[in-house]
Amino acid sequence: QKEVEQNSGPLSVPEGAIASLNCTYSDRVSQSFFWYRQYSGKSPELIMSIYSNGDKEDGRFTAQLNKASQYVSLLIRDSQPSDSATYLCAVNRMNRDDKIIFGKGTRLHILP
Amino acid sequence: NAGVTQTPKFQVLKTGQSMTLQCAQDMNHNSMYWYRQDPGMGLRLIYYSASEGTTDKGEVPNGYNVSRLNKREFSLRLESAAPSQTSVYFCASSPRTGGAGRNTEAFFGQGTRLTVV
Repeated sequence: QKEVEQNSGPLSVPEGAIASLNCTYSDRVSQSFFWYRQYSGKSPELIMSIYSNGDKEDGRFTAQLNKASQYVSLLIRDSQPSDSATYLCAVNRMNRDDKIIFGKGTRLHILP
Repeated sequence: NAGVTQTPKFQVLKTGQSMTLQCAQDMNHNSMYWYRQDPGMGLRLIYYSASEGTTDKGEVPNGYNVSRLNKREFSLRLESAAPSQTSVYFCASSPRTGGAGRNTEAFFGQGTRLTVV
């Protein structure tokens, strides 16, 4: 089992709808969880960090963490064509080592 | 405010040649990382350094060496390049401060596109 798993997509969502991206992780000692956005040919850009169970909202983005289920999600409300990108989930296992491990990413396509 | 700077941006090597990818950050971060990104494979960790003077292997360390020269700089060396090392290489840094895992997110450089022929 890969340490961080994501559905590779592509996930197609109509403009204005909610995009839901999911991620599971295998190592229970993981403490920090991140969502990055990566446009084609560009470097990953941090959009959300979450450390505690529950929801964290930032503008149109909401990250959700459930440590018991080892599950992290990202919701994008009012999806825009500019949200079309690959979204990478990452975890940091600070209690075990200092590795930041990434999933393979989910390609999101917002349909105009 | 440069952030994380990688050099070079593009490089073509012949099989067997050696080269060093340079990375420097000006954010006073403690941790630094080298990743490679291949189509369909996501970001895979090559090596990381939790602090100056320490380095550890990541998921795919074979064929690479690293040096954490000081707090700012973390270089990646390919001693004998192989076509399988054709990839986009990203350097990242992280503050790695704070309790309960906070301030541990990574910030990335612009990447180095390496082709080995």
